[in-house]
Amino acid sequence: NAGVMQNPRHLVRRRGQEARLRCSPMKGHSHVYWYRQLPEEGLKFMVYLQKENIIDESGMPKERFSAEFPKEGPSILRIQQVVRGDSAAYFCASSPGTGMYEQYFGPGTRLTVT
Amino acid sequence: SQQGEEDPQALSIQEGENATMNCSYKTSINNLQWYRQNSGRGLVHLILIRSNEREKHSGRLRVTLDTSKKSSSLLITASRAADTASYFCATDPQETSGSRLTFGEGTQLTVNP
Repeated sequence: NAGVMQNPRHLVRRRGQEARLRCSPMKGHSHVYWYRQLPEEGLKFMVYLQKENIIDESGMPKERFSAEFPKEGPSILRIQQVVRGDSAAYFCASSPGTGMYEQYFGPGTRLTVT
Repeated sequence: SQQGEEDPQALSIQEGENATMNCSYKTSINNLQWYRQNSGRGLVHLILIRSNEREKHSGRLRVTLDTSKKSSSLLITASRAADTASYFCATDPQETSGSRLTFGEGTQLTVNP
């Protein structure tokens, strides 16, 4: 049973370009969470999705960031017109439900904006 | 200040010693989870303790939870060099009921051989 998969593992973008980060949850998990980790800091919640629905996006910046979790395929975190401050590690987690379930994390995508 | 604050920020011990890390939080929670992160890697789930539990064990790990003090501790016994990592506590606040985890800034543990 494969764990949470994220790709790419490393992504380099120039300022103004778009970044697309993908996350495939563990088999049987329909809840996906995205977190961002700046250097030397803890993880900060961004968005929580279930299949085809955004449940909580209170941690997402209001502009340039969007997320989706389609009926088929991986969850996508999209960052438009990236800036240097977007450089961070982006982690995806999944769980089979909410409330009393562990969240299982992927290896992360390290985004570098040059 | 932020929900989920670990103490100390950094801890350096010798192999074989015990390591204790503390976490304090501010709001009511459903559960509290501890994670380990090796440098430049993803997070590994260590243990989940529910709000109605006081203590939980897993191998060399012992976690306590005191909801009256809004605090938790993680004890690693008989530490090994391979335990060197950052350790984070994460709370699942009742107000959001599973929609997110709130992480602290972490404790950097170094175990010297």
